[in-house]
Amino acid sequence: DAGVIQSPRHEVTEMGQEVTLRCKPISGHNSLFWYRQTMMRGLELLIYFNNNVPIDDSGMPEDRFSAKMPNASFSTLKIQPSEPRDSAVYFCASSLGSGSDTIYFGEGSWLTVV
Amino acid sequence: QQQVKQSPQSLIVQKGGISIINCAYENTAFDYFPWYQQFPGKGPALLIAIRPDVSEKKEGRFTISFNKSAKQFSLHIMDSQPGDSATYFCAATGGGNKLTFGGGTRVLVKP
Repeated sequence: DAGVIQSPRHEVTEMGQEVTLRCKPISGHNSLFWYRQTMMRGLELLIYFNNNVPIDDSGMPEDRFSAKMPNASFSTLKIQPSEPRDSAVYFCASSLGSGSDTIYFGEGSWLTVV
Repeated sequence: QQQVKQSPQSLIVQKGGISIINCAYENTAFDYFPWYQQFPGKGPALLIAIRPDVSEKKEGRFTISFNKSAKQFSLHIMDSQPGDSATYFCAATGGGNKLTFGGGTRVLVKP
C-alpha cells in the first residue's frame, strides 16, 4: 500500500494568496484527519471526516480555513487568504474508522507563508 | 486547552540506557492511549498503544506503563539505540478517533 499521499510536500507562498493542500487517504479507510504541527502548539487536530462527512471541525482556526472531502479517495484543505502565522506542517492522516484503529499519517505538507 | 501533558520536552540518553517519557491526562473518558514516533521530515507513526484495562504493555524494547488512578502513563525505551533518536508523542482518545496529543519529547541517543 502506498500510504497516505499528500501534495505538495513543500510550498512557499506570499501572504494573501490561496493555498490548497491535497490528500489521498489509504484505500478502504473511512476516516480522514487534517492535523497541523508547529513548534509552539504541537500537533493539533483541525478537522476529521468519517465516510466523507465532516464530523468535527472545532479545531479549524478561523473562516480562512476550509476542508472538503468530495469522495473517499480525496480531500483538500484550503487557506484563503493565507497569513504568515499559518506557516506550519500540515498532516493528513487516515484510519479504518473505529476508536482504536491505527491512524496513519502522510509525510506532511510544509507550508511557509512570507 | 492541553488535555494531555507530556514531559520532558527533550532528553539525552547514552546508547544502551533507558529513556523514560511521562504523560498525564485529565479526561476520564479517554480509553485508548497510543504513542507515536516521528523522525525528522516524516509524519508520526504508531509505536505502541495501551488500553486502561492493563497496567503494562511491552513490545520489544518499548514498554508502556499505565496508572489509571493517577491518570498517568509512560513510555520506557530499554537499551536505547541511536536509531531511536526521534520525537515521541503520547496521545489519548475516548469513544472515537479524535486523538489528543501531548506536546512531544525529543529524544537523542548518543553513541
